[in-house]
Amino acid sequence: DSGVTQTPKHLITATGQRVTLRCSPRSGDLSVYWYQQSLDQGLQFLIQYYNGEERAKGNILERFSAQQFPDLHSELNLSSLELGDSALYFCASSPGNEKLFFGSGTQLSVL
Amino acid sequence: QQPVQSPQAVILREGEDAVINCSSSKALYSVHWYRQKHGEAPVFLMILLKGGEQKGHDKISASFNEKKQQSSLYLTASQLSYSGTYFCGTGSSGGSNYKLTFGKGTLLTVNP
Repeated sequence: DSGVTQTPKHLITATGQRVTLRCSPRSGDLSVYWYQQSLDQGLQFLIQYYNGEERAKGNILERFSAQQFPDLHSELNLSSLELGDSALYFCASSPGNEKLFFGSGTQLSVL
Repeated sequence: QQPVQSPQAVILREGEDAVINCSSSKALYSVHWYRQKHGEAPVFLMILLKGGEQKGHDKISASFNEKKQQSSLYLTASQLSYSGTYFCGTGSSGGSNYKLTFGKGTLLTVNP
């Protein structure tokens, strides 16, 4: 158990819908990262937050947004969902720039 | 930019050695290595900071050549438990603005 909690584990929704993925980092970790994993692209970096502020952005679509709250938990919002958004979404936390601890992921299926 | 890993896949017999390479076109601050077993989350193996250091973890070690912007992961006397997908992650800066970009992974299969 990495200490990073992601909910829900599975999410099935329809195209055009909006969903929210939640991540609770390890106690004391200030950095939260979001990654999208699909079969052909590996782990795609989406966004990083550090102590509530956005610090680095990857290939995150405009339909996606995220935030980190004062209690350090983070949410990833995905809207106007398309079939191609189906993937495994990982959250990871880190005390700083050291090793990342990954949550067990949220499997999103868009039908 | 995503680092490039090679090979994409490798099959070994228990006890054999393997090398996985990771290269980047950008200057690197650090290199991370993770292993992901099927259906599980990636698990940290080691991190190397610029300076050409080499690290080891049991029979798994890695090197980082900052000038060549390359890292290699060495698995010696492989065990069945080494099977999984190995990802290298490259960080291009220090501080709290840290973008860790992963390669597409190398699938390692160790057979009895």
